[in-house]
Amino acid sequence: DQQVKQNSPSLSVQEGRISILNCDYTNSMFDYFLWYKKYPAEGPTFLISISSIKDKNEDGRFTVFLNKSAKHLSLHIVPSQPGDSAVYFCAATLTDSWGKLQFGAGTQVVVTP
Amino acid sequence: DTAVSQTPKYLVTQMGNDKSIKCEQNLGHDTMYWYKQDSKKFLKIMFSYNNKELIINETVPNRFSPKSPDKAHLNLHINSLELGDSAVYFCASTFGGSQETQYFGPGTRLLVL
Repeated sequence: DQQVKQNSPSLSVQEGRISILNCDYTNSMFDYFLWYKKYPAEGPTFLISISSIKDKNEDGRFTVFLNKSAKHLSLHIVPSQPGDSAVYFCAATLTDSWGKLQFGAGTQVVVTP
Repeated sequence: DTAVSQTPKYLVTQMGNDKSIKCEQNLGHDTMYWYKQDSKKFLKIMFSYNNKELIINETVPNRFSPKSPDKAHLNLHINSLELGDSAVYFCASTFGGSQETQYFGPGTRLLVL
C-alpha cells in the first residue's frame, strides 16, 4: 500500500524558470516530510524537510510547502539550474518511528538550457 | 573519506546462490538502514539497527538476514537468491530519531540470473 505518491514521473523545465514537484500522502499521522535528490548511480541526498507544524520551509533556491488538509506537499526550485537535473523523491515519516521513511516513486527533473 | 560506503557496487549471481552486501559508515551514527529500490523505482525500507539492535523489520522474506557487528557496520546476507531479488540495495545511516537526516550509500546493484 503506497502511502506517498508522486504522480508525475517526469518534469522538463527551462533553465532559470521555476520547477514545481508535487507529492500526495494518505496517512494523516505523518508528521515530518522530506525531499531527497538522486543522481544516477548515486544514493539519495537530503535536500529539504518540513515538520507538520509548519506550512513552509525555505532553503536558498528550494522551498517546500505543506498543505495538511489536502495531504499534499510541493517542492519549488527557483531558479532551476542544469545541475538540478536529477530524480527527486518525496518521503514521509512519523516521529518515534526510528526514521522509517516512506518514499514516493520519484520525479525525474530535466532542466534544459 | 566516503561517509557511507557499500561493497560490492555491482553483484551478478545465479538463482539459488547466497550472497552478502556490506555497509560501513564513518559518521559516528548509531542507526543504520537497508532500503531496496525495485524495478518500479520505489525505495522501500527493509531493516534498521540502532546500536546493534534490530528496531525495524519490515515484511521481508526470511531469506534476508541483516547483521550489525558494531554501530559502524550493517551487512545484509541473502540466501537462495531469486530473480525478484534483483534490485538496487541502499544502506543509510543517521543519529537515532525520526527527524534526523539519513545519509545514503551509493547503492549495490544486484542482478540475479
